[in-house]
Amino acid sequence: GAVVSQHPSRVICKSGTSVKIECRSLDFQATTMFWYRQFPKKSLMLMATSNEGSKATYEQGVEKDKFLINHASLTLSTLTVTSAHPEDSSFYICSARGAASNQPQHFGDGTRLSIL
Amino acid sequence: QKEVEQNSGPLSVPEGAIASLNCTYSDRGSQSFFWYRQYSGKSPELIMSIYSNGDKEDGRFTAQLNKASQYVSLLIRDSQPSDSATYLCAAPGDSNYQLIWGAGTKLIIKP
Repeated sequence: GAVVSQHPSRVICKSGTSVKIECRSLDFQATTMFWYRQFPKKSLMLMATSNEGSKATYEQGVEKDKFLINHASLTLSTLTVTSAHPEDSSFYICSARGAASNQPQHFGDGTRLSIL
Repeated sequence: QKEVEQNSGPLSVPEGAIASLNCTYSDRGSQSFFWYRQYSGKSPELIMSIYSNGDKEDGRFTAQLNKASQYVSLLIRDSQPSDSATYLCAAPGDSNYQLIWGAGTKLIIKP
């Protein structure tokens, strides 16, 4: 149980393109979803937290107009990287958890984004 | 500011031995703790959750929690080269079901 599906797994695109990444909880209702980015050999960095039906909460230093997050249902959250530039190249990972207390986060497989 | 601390390693252990990974946390009120494994280039996967003082065993993995001393550990018995990965410790954050992550300990199992 607790499967999270993330697509696409890899994106290579030109500078200026907007890229949409989907994160789905397949067998549970994800009341809260999280978006992380990770640079090579570095720690996970939380970008934002989203609750179903409400606006995402962004961490300090993360531009909300650059990284658009939508959590429209209990099983789907999307991250759109708008007008991507080479410095946005990174490994983006989503996670999800249910509503019960003391629940772990379950991770998608991640999306490797390369902006040329 | 809540914190979770881990030794970044690398921790090198011979195949077949016990690997011991440690983590300390700052918030005495934390109730739940999680160990994740992350292979290079992959996303983290949940290994163990622990909520009560003492030991919790799952196959070759044992999580240990000592709330009085504010540490949580992960033991891996009969270590295999496939256990080589970075192990992340996590505890609840301030709000919104966030987790506070340790920096991760890189474990290398030598054949």
